[in-house]
Amino acid sequence: SAVISQKPSRDICQRGTSLTIQCQVDSQVTMMFWYRQQPGQSLTLIATANQGSEATYESGFVIDKFPISRPNLTFSTLTVSNMSPEDSSIYLCSVITGGKTQYFGPGTRLLVL
Amino acid sequence: DAKTTQPTSMDCAEGRAANLPCNHSTISGNEYVYWYRQIHSQGPQYIIHGLKNNETNEMASLIITEDRKSSTLILPHATLRDTAVYYCIVRQLSNTGKLIFGQGTTLQVKP
Repeated sequence: SAVISQKPSRDICQRGTSLTIQCQVDSQVTMMFWYRQQPGQSLTLIATANQGSEATYESGFVIDKFPISRPNLTFSTLTVSNMSPEDSSIYLCSVITGGKTQYFGPGTRLLVL
Repeated sequence: DAKTTQPTSMDCAEGRAANLPCNHSTISGNEYVYWYRQIHSQGPQYIIHGLKNNETNEMASLIITEDRKSSTLILPHATLRDTAVYYCIVRQLSNTGKLIFGQGTTLQVKP
């Protein structure tokens, strides 16, 4: 398994500002993912972040709005840029371990006013 | 990845077995069935996965039909802490196989 931590655990932000969410894993992993869960909804995949290459974004998500960094095999950041109230969600980091099972972090709860 | 169909909600009495069904009639030969659950907006928790044989671990059992078009997750003795949204997902077992979540089944365990 993998132990995943995220910072911050929650935040309240003003519209028009940006927030960077950090994801730290206790072991080296090749693939990391970022998901969004809007209130009352299921999880939606934002992008896949592999170390050493640019992130691959899913339909409906763009790099200008959700820039991602992946500087090494244990860390990634997701930035939510120029936020609006519609960005209020839980943002989750996820990784695939060597055993091919995918694990999730505790999530970052974001409220945009 | 193949699509799955699950009931929107189910109830179960505490101490009884909870049987959660999932249909995945378009599953292909290299796709596995994964189950996750999400308790009260925490991060999803991995439960179990299987290809075609029945699987059991400390959390649950997974029964996959012979034609692989459906499966059932069994929680043998449900407790109040098992109240959660349960997701059945079909995924290729490769580094590129992404987990795509549907709406899941909300299981309510009642005293």
